[in-house]
Amino acid sequence: EDQVTQSPEALRLQEGESSSLNCSYTVSGLRGLFWYRQDPGKGPEFLFTLYSAGEEKEKERLKATLTKKESFLHITAPKPEDSATYLCAVQANSGGSNYKLTFGKGTLLTVNP
Amino acid sequence: EPEVTQTPSHQVTQMGQEVILRCVPISNHLYFYWYRQILGQKVEFLVSFYNNEISEKSEIFDDQFSVERPDGSNFTLKIRSTKLEDSAMYFCASSGGAVNTQYFGPGTRLTVL
Repeated sequence: EDQVTQSPEALRLQEGESSSLNCSYTVSGLRGLFWYRQDPGKGPEFLFTLYSAGEEKEKERLKATLTKKESFLHITAPKPEDSATYLCAVQANSGGSNYKLTFGKGTLLTVNP
Repeated sequence: EPEVTQTPSHQVTQMGQEVILRCVPISNHLYFYWYRQILGQKVEFLVSFYNNEISEKSEIFDDQFSVERPDGSNFTLKIRSTKLEDSAMYFCASSGGAVNTQYFGPGTRLTVL
């Protein structure tokens, strides 16, 4: 069974204080790893897709990286508007499962001004 | 920018009643999905739909659930006889291909009394 574990569960930063969120995964064959941002009461908003180990993607203050066992979401000089829950999900080629995303529980990020 | 839309935003129903949740996927997408998120828990896959048939479903998606694409734009999730434990946010998603990024709608909050 595919598993996704995110840490920490919650992270509180001061504005400008850089940090990283972790997503470790267990799948028989990774097709893609996805990062989403979710604001309270809203749907997941797509951030990045990573397909292979060593791949990196950047967008504004966010940078996602991927290894064979985990992914990191690095947040550089965060602002209060970056406060949200960050979700990691995997799409795996395992046991006939071809399309579904398996999500972690997310990391709740709070950035204080 | 194209987006997935969902109606209603909030649905309140009595236990045992039927509900239909509606979604309009991104227009040129071919793969459609329903996920749910019980308050405080992770996003869970329910069902994927391609070429007018279910391609995969989870254990949650039992005989009480059904999906339909009644026309060229809408995608619906029906729950025949709602239970208290069906209370959750229901998200529709669509993608242009099986391995492509899934884009999520804003969700329908279902409350079963």
